[in-house]
Formats: sequence, structure tokens, C-alpha cells
Amino acid sequence: GQNIDQPTEMTATEGAIVQINCTYQTSGFNGLFWYQQHAGEAPTFLSYNVLDGLEEKGRFSSFLSRSKGYSYLLLKELQMKDSASYLCAVRDSGGYQKVTFGTGTKLQVIP
Amino acid sequence: DAGITQSPRHKVTETGTPVTLRCHQTENHRYMYWYRQDPGHGLRLIHYSYGVKDTDKGEVSDGYSVSRSKTEDFLLTLESATSSQTSVYFCAISELAGGRNEQFFGPGTRLTVL
Repeated sequence: GQNIDQPTEMTATEGAIVQINCTYQTSGFNGLFWYQQHAGEAPTFLSYNVLDGLEEKGRFSSFLSRSKGYSYLLLKELQMKDSASYLCAVRDSGGYQKVTFGTGTKLQVIP
Repeated sequence: DAGITQSPRHKVTETGTPVTLRCHQTENHRYMYWYRQDPGHGLRLIHYSYGVKDTDKGEVSDGYSVSRSKTEDFLLTLESATSSQTSVYFCAISELAGGRNEQFFGPGTRLTVL
């Protein structure tokens, strides 16, 4: 199975950079996802990592270290609209390749 | 946006009554999923489907059943609702199960069992 840990809440200032960490313990690994979820809305896909290293997509970047069971999501030039929960999710390597979600990190961006 | 709708969007029911939630997709994706989301637990998989009439259990399947008679529809049934099933239910779809194939989520159904 999977065990995923991420901070419950974070606060950051508009225009700044914030890093949201995710650690996982897994019996099999076949990729890590980050989703964004605004309050009262559905999660939406942000990024996917399966190899070690950094994936950059505009203001958002995601990093993975498979040997350490560690990932982070980096948000640059924070905007008020980035206030949301960020969900880390791990796909396992078993037959169905199930995806397990962490409990999410609620980010508040303040002026 | 992926074409996924859920109905109803909100429902209040009483303990012991049957409840059916519907997920409808227009993307012709093979895989469909039902999750529940509760504070402190994140998204937890209830059941999933990998094709018409092909379904399997997730991690919190007790008290729930599903059916998929058409590619586009995936129904979640609570045979006899309990207060512990008060939650927000999300349907999701994905084209394939592995690799980079992300899941696209529906808008959610807020269910309250009194």
C-alpha cells in the first residue's frame, strides 16, 4: 500500500515562492501526481513525475526523488487565485496501478 | 474541460434509505472511478470500472455497490444509507490506467445522511 504525508496548511505572500512537500512510502511506484483543488470544487491536474528531477510548467514546477520517496511542488510569483488545496497522489506499480491521494495541503496566499 | 457530469449535485436523505448517484461522461474514456472526500482523509477510492460491466472494489467499498451498463454512465448505490456515508462524492475518468494518464474529476455530489 501507500502512505503519503504532506503538511496540512501553509501560508505565503502574494508574489513570493512557496514549496509544498510530499513524502511517501510505497510497496510499488509508478508515478506521482499533483492536483489543485479550490474550495468547493473538483481537483484538477497540475503535474506528473515518474523519473527523478524537475518538471517545469509555467509558474509551477514539480520535483521527484524516488530514492528518498520525496516530491515537492514549487509555486512561483504567487497570486491570490493560487489559494487552494494541493493534493499529492502516488500511482503504484501493481496490476491496476491504483492512485492513492494524500490529505492535501491547504495554501492561503495573503496580500 | 473533460465532459463529466454528476447528478444530483446535492442530496439530503435519511438513514436507511437507498441512494443512487450518477456519473456521466462524454469522453469515451475506459476507466471510471468513485471517490469520497472527507476532512482529514483526502480522496478515498470506493469502486472503479475498467469497462462496461467490469468493476472492482476500492479501499472503502463496504456499503456501496456500482454498475456500469454503458461506457458513459457509472452509478454508485448506497443500499441503505448511514450517517457515516455523509460526504462529498467525486466521480473521475481516465483514458487508461497507467503511465501519465491523469484522472479528470466531475463537479462532485454533496450527500448528507440524517
